[in-house]
Amino acid sequence: EIVLTQSPATLSLSPGERATLSCRASQSVSSYLTWYQQKPGQAPRLLIYDVSNRATGIPARFSGSGSGTDFTLTISNLEPEDFAVYYCQQRSSWPLTFGGGTKVEI
Amino acid sequence: EVQLLESGGGLVQPGGSLRLSCAASGFTFSSHAMSWVRQAPGKGLEWVSTLNNNGGSAYFADSVRGRFTVSRDNSQNTLSLHMHSLRAEDTAVYYCATIPLSGTQYFQHWGQGTLVTVSS
Repeated sequence: EIVLTQSPATLSLSPGERATLSCRASQSVSSYLTWYQQKPGQAPRLLIYDVSNRATGIPARFSGSGSGTDFTLTISNLEPEDFAVYYCQQRSSWPLTFGGGTKVEI
Repeated sequence: EVQLLESGGGLVQPGGSLRLSCAASGFTFSSHAMSWVRQAPGKGLEWVSTLNNNGGSAYFADSVRGRFTVSRDNSQNTLSLHMHSLRAEDTAVYYCATIPLSGTQYFQHWGQGTLVTVSS
């Protein structure tokens, strides 16, 4: 099973700042890495798939990068609605696995 | 607009069974693989199961294999998760989610979830 480790667990920032979230895989997942956003009481929402492809309707301030085992989600110029928990997920091999999440808080 | 509506959650005793349903609309259900993902209270996301578009191939997490089964009715646009021998650690919100047409295994659209509580 591929283990995804997200860091930091919590990121304390202010609106307008840049957020950099990390996701590290226990073995290569190639480019098969996805990011989701989850707000309290809501279902997760697809943000970015295959490392760097934004899902429909996702603002350009969200970007993804990386390959192999190290990946980054960057949120430039944080908006108030961006404060949430972010999860990475790999689809390189079964079982599909998620990281433990990074909470972006004010 | 894609809509996924889960139902069937509730309180069940350890060792009991429960069937969850996911009613889908707004897309061609029979063309998409579908998945179940769960989230224990205050915890992260855990993939549970994926079923291909025609119901012929199913995949399960080790934590539920042998206890859960998954099925779909493409004529009714419904996905089901049949849960047996439930344990306290199965307590979670269960989400159904769509897989893109390409078959690439990420979760494109999500329902709002249904809560399953396993407790005596």
